[in-house]
Amino acid sequence: QKEVEQDPGPLSVPEGAIVSLNCTYSNSAFQYFMWYRQYSRKGPELLMYTYSSGNKEDGRFTAQVDKSSKYISLFIRDSQPSDSATYLCAMSPTGGSYIPTFGRGTSLIVHP
Amino acid sequence: KAGVTQTPRYLIKTRGQQVTLSCSPISGHRSVSWYQQTPGQGLQFLFEYFSETQRNKGNFPGRFSGRQFSNSRSEMNVSTLELGDSALYLCASSLAGAQGNTIYFGEGSWLTVV
Repeated sequence: QKEVEQDPGPLSVPEGAIVSLNCTYSNSAFQYFMWYRQYSRKGPELLMYTYSSGNKEDGRFTAQVDKSSKYISLFIRDSQPSDSATYLCAMSPTGGSYIPTFGRGTSLIVHP
Repeated sequence: KAGVTQTPRYLIKTRGQQVTLSCSPISGHRSVSWYQQTPGQGLQFLFEYFSETQRNKGNFPGRFSGRQFSNSRSEMNVSTLELGDSALYLCASSLAGAQGNTIYFGEGSWLTVV
């Protein structure tokens, strides 16, 4: 079992839909949780960064962490065709190596 | 300010050859890490350098090596290339490579081994 599991998709939704992207993990030491967006043939860019549990909102994006279930989510409201990209979750523990462990990414397609 | 710059962007090599990829981090960033990204394995950590010293290393064979210069610029080298080394190689930099520091990725170097 990989430390971080993420459904590769593709996830296809109509413009305006609410999108839910998820990751599960097995390492209970993970405390820092990140979401990256990667457009085709580009490097990943950081979207959201949260520490420990709870929700964090930034514009149309909401990151949610449920440590009891070892489950994190990224919600995108009012999705746009420009949101079409691969979304990668990443997480790292406190202490020791800070190097994040990445999920394999979910491909999202928002069609007009 | 300028982002992370990687060169070359695209390259094709033959099995058995070696390749060197270059990365210039964001100005002021001292930590540089390298990742390999493939459709099958996703994003995998290769190694991280901080102040010219390798501080963390992933689970890759010794054919993969790197170094960091005094100006924080970094290079990675892959010797005796194999077909399976075809991938997107990403460089990322951060201020100090510590918890809570955001890492910023470059556009990547696309390597095709034929």
